[in-house]
Amino acid sequence: NAGVTQTPKFQVLKTGQSMTLQCAQDMNHNSMYWYRQDPGMGLRLIYYSASEGTTDKGEVPNGYNVSRLNKREFSLRLESAAPSQTSVYFCASSEALLGDSQPQHFGDGTRLSIL
Amino acid sequence: AQSVSQHNHHVILSEAASLELGCNYSYGGTVNLFWYVQYPGQHLQLLLKYFSGDPLVKGIKGFEAEFIKSKFSFNLRKPSVQWSDTAEYFCAVRGNYQLIWGAGTKLIIKP
Repeated sequence: NAGVTQTPKFQVLKTGQSMTLQCAQDMNHNSMYWYRQDPGMGLRLIYYSASEGTTDKGEVPNGYNVSRLNKREFSLRLESAAPSQTSVYFCASSEALLGDSQPQHFGDGTRLSIL
Repeated sequence: AQSVSQHNHHVILSEAASLELGCNYSYGGTVNLFWYVQYPGQHLQLLLKYFSGDPLVKGIKGFEAEFIKSKFSFNLRKPSVQWSDTAEYFCAVRGNYQLIWGAGTKLIIKP
């Protein structure tokens, strides 16, 4: 019952460094999402992938890129990390894009600190 | 603009007290509403959802929520809380292609 698996769980970066957050789901879901969670602001959508081969910008895409590698995997890349990207990042998946009102399944999150 | 407002950022209750967490939304389309919970150290998980039909929705662990269309509200309730209900609770409404999230309410239950 792995569900949605994110790696790493914790990471500290220096300003300007790059890194990729990995996400994989084993529920055969079509849609996947990347969120960031900041205190007092709830979750904000960074990018989403409605289905394999497609990606679209969410609410806060600047400074990030994504890759939907296959149906299972959806990675998030920070090319040049900035302190404003210090946050907790969540990956989620759902059977279909939210137009079908599907609930989302979440990973455990990645705590990322940019110094 | 689409938005979700959770009135209380922090709530502290004693065990056996009754709980009501407020959620108001602003969205012009078909309304689908969710409450998610995040227990300490765990991932977000679905507590309950409203799509249509009976506006009183029952979820897991004794939680329920009532959709009041005239008030644009979807408040979460539990008659008697337990220490294990300590968590952060998020209300969300389905938007065009994403969930629109409230800022969350941290609930602390004193034993």
